[in-house]
Amino acid sequence: AQKVTQAQTEISVVEKEDVTLDCVYETRDTTYYLFWYKQPPSGELVFLIRRNSFDEQNEISGRYSWNFQKSTSSFNFTITASQVVDSAVYFCALSEWDFGNEKLTFGTGTRLTIIP
Amino acid sequence: NAGVTQTPKFRVLKTGQSMTLLCAQDMNHEYMYWYRQDPGMGLRLIHYSVGEGTTAKGEVPDGYNVSRLKKQNFLLGLESAAPSQTSVYFCASSWPGQGGSTEAFFGQGTRLTVV
Repeated sequence: AQKVTQAQTEISVVEKEDVTLDCVYETRDTTYYLFWYKQPPSGELVFLIRRNSFDEQNEISGRYSWNFQKSTSSFNFTITASQVVDSAVYFCALSEWDFGNEKLTFGTGTRLTIIP
Repeated sequence: NAGVTQTPKFRVLKTGQSMTLLCAQDMNHEYMYWYRQDPGMGLRLIHYSVGEGTTAKGEVPDGYNVSRLKKQNFLLGLESAAPSQTSVYFCASSWPGQGGSTEAFFGQGTRLTVV
């Protein structure tokens, strides 16, 4: 069975502060994929990043960065110099094979509020 | 540029009524998924499909049925709606990709209320 844990239910920070969203996963597979999605107040789900289990390089995209550490089964997401538009619910997700089928499992999400 | 389209966007059902939610994708994706989103629970997988004519149970399949008769469509059925099925339902699709799944594209969601 797979599991994705986002222990931080809600986080509030003042605009321009940095914030890190934690994601811890469990899997018995050696090949798997990790994702982050953003759900703004409008409700749609927006893909942010995909990372496979063999690529532990950290990734930076503008103000966003991701830290993947297999040793601790974590895939954390950092927003630098946060902005009000970053306010959203963020989901971490894990994709792995299940008896020949591939399925995507989400964490419970972290609601991030950026205070102007 | 439709992507993933869900029909309807909103629906109110009475307990015991049945309905079908339609998901259509125009990206030729093999994989399709149905999730429900409830406060504090995140997205939970109901059923999924890895190709036309195939379906599999997810985390919370009870009370739902699905069909994937055509590659581009994935239907979610509620035979006898219950108040516990009040939720926001999301459909998603993805392409297997080389060596694993690509990102899932989501529909805009269907808000279902069962009274």
